[in-house]
Amino acid sequence: EDQVTQSPEALRLQEGESSSLNCSYTVSGLRGLFWYRQDPGKGPEFLFTLYSAGEEKEKERLKATLTKKESFLHITAPKPEDSATYLCAVQADKLIFGTGTRLQVFP
Amino acid sequence: EAGVAQSPRYKIIEKRQSVAFWCNPISGHATLYWYQQILGQGPKLLIQFQNNGVVDDSQLPKDRFSAERLKGVDSTLKIQPAKLEDSAVYLCASSTGTGSPRPRIFGPGTRLTVL
Repeated sequence: EDQVTQSPEALRLQEGESSSLNCSYTVSGLRGLFWYRQDPGKGPEFLFTLYSAGEEKEKERLKATLTKKESFLHITAPKPEDSATYLCAVQADKLIFGTGTRLQVFP
Repeated sequence: EAGVAQSPRYKIIEKRQSVAFWCNPISGHATLYWYQQILGQGPKLLIQFQNNGVVDDSQLPKDRFSAERLKGVDSTLKIQPAKLEDSAVYLCASSTGTGSPRPRIFGPGTRLTVL
């Protein structure tokens, strides 16, 4: 059965303390992987699409990478405004969302 | 470009009542989705439209949920009668239709509370 697992469930970081969020998956025939950011009371906001192993995408303090079994979202020198839930979604036959990592960055 | 519009933003109803949600996708997006997101979970697909036609409604509880997309643009999702477990955020999303997998662009959602 296709599955997407995100870890950790929650992460607290000091401002400036870099870290990584993990999205591991077991699917047949990966066609793409998406990262989203979701703020409380809002819909998910699209961040990145990754299509194949070895691909990397960057945006400001965020960098997403992809291997054959997992993706990482690296956050470099985070700021309090980076606090949100980060969702990954894997496209195989269907699109499967993980349950998200809730990130808190405090000053 | 304008984003995905949804209304209402919040709705509180009693169980067994009916409710309807409206969505206007991004102009030119052929594919429209309705998702249900329960607190602490990722979005779960309810129904996917390609233009006017239904592509996937395998997880739509058809005894109480219905959806339509008239003229391939706006869409409405209805619940009748509502149950307590329908309390969730209902997200509409749209995407361009063809080629490599395209990201879903989400609206702000409608938060439904069933009492």
